[in-house]
Amino acid sequence: GNSVTQMEGPVTLSEEAFLTINCTYTATGYPSLFWYVQYPGEGLQLLLKATKADDKGSNKGFEATYRKETTSFHLEKGSVQVSDSAVYFCALWTGSGGSNYKLTFGKGTLLTVNP
Amino acid sequence: DAGVTQSPTHLIKTRGQHVTLRCSPISGHKSVSWYQQVLGQGPQFIFQYYEKEERGRGNFPDRFSARQFPNYSSELNVNALLLGDSALYLCASIGGGGTDTQYFGPGTRLTVL
Repeated sequence: GNSVTQMEGPVTLSEEAFLTINCTYTATGYPSLFWYVQYPGEGLQLLLKATKADDKGSNKGFEATYRKETTSFHLEKGSVQVSDSAVYFCALWTGSGGSNYKLTFGKGTLLTVNP
Repeated sequence: DAGVTQSPTHLIKTRGQHVTLRCSPISGHKSVSWYQQVLGQGPQFIFQYYEKEERGRGNFPDRFSARQFPNYSSELNVNALLLGDSALYLCASIGGGGTDTQYFGPGTRLTVL
């Protein structure tokens, strides 16, 4: 079956530090990969996605590259801000057409950025 | 355009009771999925509905059921509530044409006492 493994948190950084959150996956077929962010007390927001090998998703200074050879989709940001403090979820999807839209999520990584 | 809406925002129930949660997808989206997020964990898939038909079901007991209406809104029902059903319940709206992107609502926080 499909699974996603994220690095254990929490991660605590100072403002302007470099961020990496590791994500590896196991999947049948060729999954689409996602990073979602959850701010305190809120639902999930799509941060970025990649649909095929070597694709790079990017948004708001965050980037992640779909690495098929290492089955990884690590999230990076060059300079974090206090406002980036949130829980980050890596997820994958292997459905197609009008059915099987199940997303498989990792357990989430809590990021805290201090001023 | 309005995003995904869910109601109620918060809910407190006691064991054995029944609960109904509601979701309205993004205008033009015909598919919704429901997820359960227990505190400190990633969301777990419960159901997917497309054009009013169930298209996927996760590993949840029969106490959990759902339906989708002609306007594509959806309800999640949970019977005989257990303490372990306490969680954030998320609804996701999915566009058509084979897109793989799901847009989540703010969730309903259910507390079972």
